[in-house]
Amino acid sequence: AQSVTQPDIHITVSEGASLELRCNYSYGATPYLFWYVQSPGQGLQLLLKYFSGDTLVQGIKGFEAEFKRSQSSFNLRKPSVHWSDAAEYFCAVGAPMEYGNKLVFGAGTILRVKS
Amino acid sequence: DVKVTQSSRYLVKRTGEKVFLECVQDMDHENMFWYRQDPGLGLRLIYFSYDVKMKEKGDIPEGYSVSREKKERFSLILESASTNQTSMYLCASRDREVNIQYFGAGTRLSVL
Repeated sequence: AQSVTQPDIHITVSEGASLELRCNYSYGATPYLFWYVQSPGQGLQLLLKYFSGDTLVQGIKGFEAEFKRSQSSFNLRKPSVHWSDAAEYFCAVGAPMEYGNKLVFGAGTILRVKS
Repeated sequence: DVKVTQSSRYLVKRTGEKVFLECVQDMDHENMFWYRQDPGLGLRLIYFSYDVKMKEKGDIPEGYSVSREKKERFSLILESASTNQTSMYLCASRDREVNIQYFGAGTRLSVL
C-alpha cells in the first residue's frame, strides 16, 4: 500500500525568502503525485501534479516540484514566498492502475509567513 | 469552472443523531469521494463511489454509510453520531480524463 510522509508539521519563512516543503512517498511503481493547498476554512486546491515525463513540474501561484525516484521524494518549492502563501500544504500519492485512483495524503505542513 | 458544493459549512449535532452530509458536483464526474480531515492526520478516505449506486469502503468506513442515487450527488450518512466523529469532512469528485480530484469547501461537524 502506498504512504506519504511530510516530515515538517510547521514551517515559518520570511516574506520574500525561498521555500521548500518536503514529501516522501512509498509505492512500488511510479506513482501519480500531487500537491494541494488549503487556505483557512477552505477546501483543497490543486497546485501541481506529476504523472510522467519531465521530473520538474510547474504549478500555479509560482510553485514547482521535482520528482526524484531515487529518493522517493516530491518536494515543493517556491523561490520567493508571499504572505498570501500562508496555508496548509498536502502531498498526495495515487496508484495509476487502481480503479478510481484513490489518493493517500500526507499529514500536511502548515506554512507561516512572517513579514 | 469545476464546482463541488457541500451543503453546509458548519453543523452542530447531538450524540446519537442521524446526520446527512450532502455533496453535489456539476461536472458529470463518475467518481466521488468522502474524506475526513483531522489535525496531524491529513485526509483519510471514508468511502468512494465510482458510479451511480456503486460504493466502496475507504480506509475508515466504520460508523459511516453513503448513498449515490444520482450521478451528481453523493451523501455521507452518520447513522448515530458520536463525539469522535467531530471533524472536517471533505467531498471530492474526480475528472477521470485528467486524473484530478476537485474538492468542496468542507463541512465542519461538531458532535456534542
